[in-house]
Amino acid sequence: DVKVTQSSRYLVKRTGEKVFLECVQDMDHENMFWYRQDPGLGLRLIYFSYDVKMKEKGDIPEGYSVSREKKERFSLILESASTNQTSMYLCASSLRGVLGEQYFGPGTRLTVT
Amino acid sequence: AQSVAQPEDQVNVAEGNPLTVKCTYSVSGNPYLFWYVQYPNRGLQFLLKYITGDNLVKGSYGFEAEFNKSQTSFHLKKPSALVSDSALYFCAVREGEGNNRLAFGKGNQVVVIP
Repeated sequence: DVKVTQSSRYLVKRTGEKVFLECVQDMDHENMFWYRQDPGLGLRLIYFSYDVKMKEKGDIPEGYSVSREKKERFSLILESASTNQTSMYLCASSLRGVLGEQYFGPGTRLTVT
Repeated sequence: AQSVAQPEDQVNVAEGNPLTVKCTYSVSGNPYLFWYVQYPNRGLQFLLKYITGDNLVKGSYGFEAEFNKSQTSFHLKKPSALVSDSALYFCAVREGEGNNRLAFGKGNQVVVIP
């Protein structure tokens, strides 16, 4: 079974803090994704990566950056957290060439106060 | 841009009754369509996909979906709903060619009433 793990289930940070969300997958997947999930808005793509050190902006990259130094790990960074970044963050991975089947982690619920 | 719409916020159904969750799509080119489910406090799980071929696609947990090109729809169905089917359901469409990026709908909450 593919396993995607995220470093924290719940996180509380203060406005202005730098926040790191970590995601690790154990199935040698090339593609990795970061989404945020908000009620009524569904999932919105923040960034994705299709290879080590490669990244592409999604629909809502402002205020976020990412890092992929190793194939199995994809980090989401909030440079200076703000209250409007309070959300559920979901990481996913997929195998290149297998269309559409993304495997998701359990999510990190981030609260910025 | 590719997109999907899920017109209902919540679907309530009695246990044992048929369940339908609606999705319509807007694409240029061939549609590649997907359904995912999110159980409480869990990440999303892949249910099924339509790429080509038969319009009726079967997936996990007894779910199926019907692709209808003329109505640009891809509704999710289950003949007999279980209480354990209560979850959030997302329709998605592939964006662009040659990558695995998906555009998700806003989701439908399904409540199965015992």
